[in-house]
Formats: sequence, structure tokens, C-alpha cells
Amino acid sequence: GEDVEQSLFLSVREGDSSVINCTYTDSSSTYLYWYKQEPGAGLQLLTYIFSNMDMKQDQRLTVLLNKKDKHLSLRIADTQTGDSAIYFCAETDTDKLIFGTGTRLQVFP
Amino acid sequence: KAGVTQTPRYLIKTRGQQVTLSCSPISGHRSVSWYQQTPGQGLQFLFEYFSETQRNKGNFPGRFSGRQFSNSRSEMNVSTLELGDSALYLCASSGGLAGYETQYFGPGTRLLVL
Repeated sequence: GEDVEQSLFLSVREGDSSVINCTYTDSSSTYLYWYKQEPGAGLQLLTYIFSNMDMKQDQRLTVLLNKKDKHLSLRIADTQTGDSAIYFCAETDTDKLIFGTGTRLQVFP
Repeated sequence: KAGVTQTPRYLIKTRGQQVTLSCSPISGHRSVSWYQQTPGQGLQFLFEYFSETQRNKGNFPGRFSGRQFSNSRSEMNVSTLELGDSALYLCASSGGLAGYETQYFGPGTRLLVL
């Protein structure tokens, strides 16, 4: 069945890079997404990558996709306290998103 | 463009009652999807509507239903509420023409069932 896995927690120092990892199972996913959720809020689309790409860079965000290993990562450069949130990766399954468990990123000074 | 809006933002109900949640998609978007978020189960897909038709459905009991109007606004209804229905209910909209268009989420409706 479909399953998207993420580590639950990541703690980094302000100014360092953060790397959040995700593994997925559906090799037919056309797009893979990263969403951010701040406390009490909905999901904010951060970035996405098309399945035929290996890498996508968007300002401080870099997405790496290893299709062979079904591994997706999100790198946040120069992590700031405002980046503290839960980050969800998601794969597409026709018209719905399958979400990972979410990684809680804590940034400390 | 205005984003996805959901009303109400917060709701308290008691077991056995029913509830209706509303979602207005981004202007021009024709697809609306609903998700339930709980600490235990995470984010789970409920259903998706496109042009007033349910196009996809998740694994939820029949107490959960929805509909979409001609202006693409969508409502979700939960009948005979149970304690386990307490959750954040998120809706997302997309263009809907292809199966993989990016979904944009609203702020959610937080439902507490007592």
C-alpha cells in the first residue's frame, strides 16, 4: 500500500542547514511536495518537484529526489527561527495527496 | 487572488450531533479536496469534488459526506458525531483538470467533539 515515512523530529542551530528526509512507495507519483505547517495553521505549500527531475532549488530551499531509492529530501539553508514548524512531504495518487507523518523542525539560537 | 477560505474556524459539538463545514476555493479552481488531520492518524484524505461530482473518496465511514456547488464552493457534513471525529479539517483547491495539479490549502476548521 501507499506509505510515506519521515523522521519525527529535527533540531538545528540557527544559521545551520536543515535536511528533512522522506521515503515514499508509489513510484508512479507525478509530483512530490513539501508543505509547512505552523502551530494552529493550515498547510503552506513550500515547493514541489516533478518526478523526472533530480533536484530543484528555490531560494533557501533545495529538493533532492532519488527515484531509484524513492527518497526525497528538503534542505533549508541558513535556517531561521521562523522556519520552526512541522514539514510534510506528500506524494500524489491521482487526485489525492498521501502525506508523511511530518517532521517537527526546532530551531534554537 | 484570495486564498482558500474555510468557515467556521472553530467548532464545538457534542456526540451524536451533526456538523457542516464550508470551503471556498481559490477563484477559478474547480477541484476541492478534504483532509482530516489528527495527532494519531496524521493527514488523511476524505474526498475530492470536481465540477459538483465526487471524483475520489478515502476510507472513511458513510457518516462523512460532502457536496460541491456550481460556484465550486464545497461543504462537508459529518453526522452522528463521535469523540474520534475531533480533528482539524482541511480543504484544498486546485485547477482540477489533471490528476496531479498542486493543491493549495485553507487554514482549516478545528472541530472538538465533547
